[in-house]
Amino acid sequence: DAMVIQNPRYQVTQFGKPVTLSCSQTLNHNVMYWYQQKSSQAPKLLFHYYDKDFNNEADTPDNFQSRRPNTSFCFLDIRSPGLGDAAMYLCATSRDPGGGDEAFFGQGTRLTVV
Amino acid sequence: GNSVTQMEGPVTLSEEAFLTINCTYTATGYPSLFWYVQYPGEGLQLLLKATKADDKGSNKGFEATYRKETTSFHLEKGSVQVSDSAVYFCALGVDTGGFKTIFGAGTRLFVKA
Repeated sequence: DAMVIQNPRYQVTQFGKPVTLSCSQTLNHNVMYWYQQKSSQAPKLLFHYYDKDFNNEADTPDNFQSRRPNTSFCFLDIRSPGLGDAAMYLCATSRDPGGGDEAFFGQGTRLTVV
Repeated sequence: GNSVTQMEGPVTLSEEAFLTINCTYTATGYPSLFWYVQYPGEGLQLLLKATKADDKGSNKGFEATYRKETTSFHLEKGSVQVSDSAVYFCALGVDTGGFKTIFGAGTRLFVKA
């Protein structure tokens, strides 16, 4: 029944070594989001795709990139992870960016940087 | 700008106690309002929502009313259970040329048996 699936649930990477997190959805939603959530903080939006249109938040570091090869999949690439990038990364989807639709979240990937 | 302020936690209650978690917002335009819940080690799940003034969202015994005059969306439950222990996020949805959900800092709830 899982609708937004994130893999892996836990990822350990080395300082400076590129890492990719993946997200897939079975909802056929137009919009996919990536959030970063640090311990005891609110999720912070990094960027989102509306179909193939990429929308970056102004304060998202260049170290973070994203790809959406098709409707179902979206990837978060961290080019050179630093210790400060250790966090839970949440993928979410919604149907329509213009309405009041809620976001559907995956279970998250917890990234550890060593 | 758009922002959400919610009461700091943790909130600790005994089972069957009454719960209120305060949430106020600042927004341009007419946002949608949401409460999300996050259980340990999990992603966020929508708990309830309201899309216009005076709407009441409700789910699983939780309620919140969209109050435009006080810019508030307080979460209430008449009788909490141990299984309600989680982090609760108030959020607003705005269309700024792309719909965004902006979250409050979250309030951790502990319910004791």
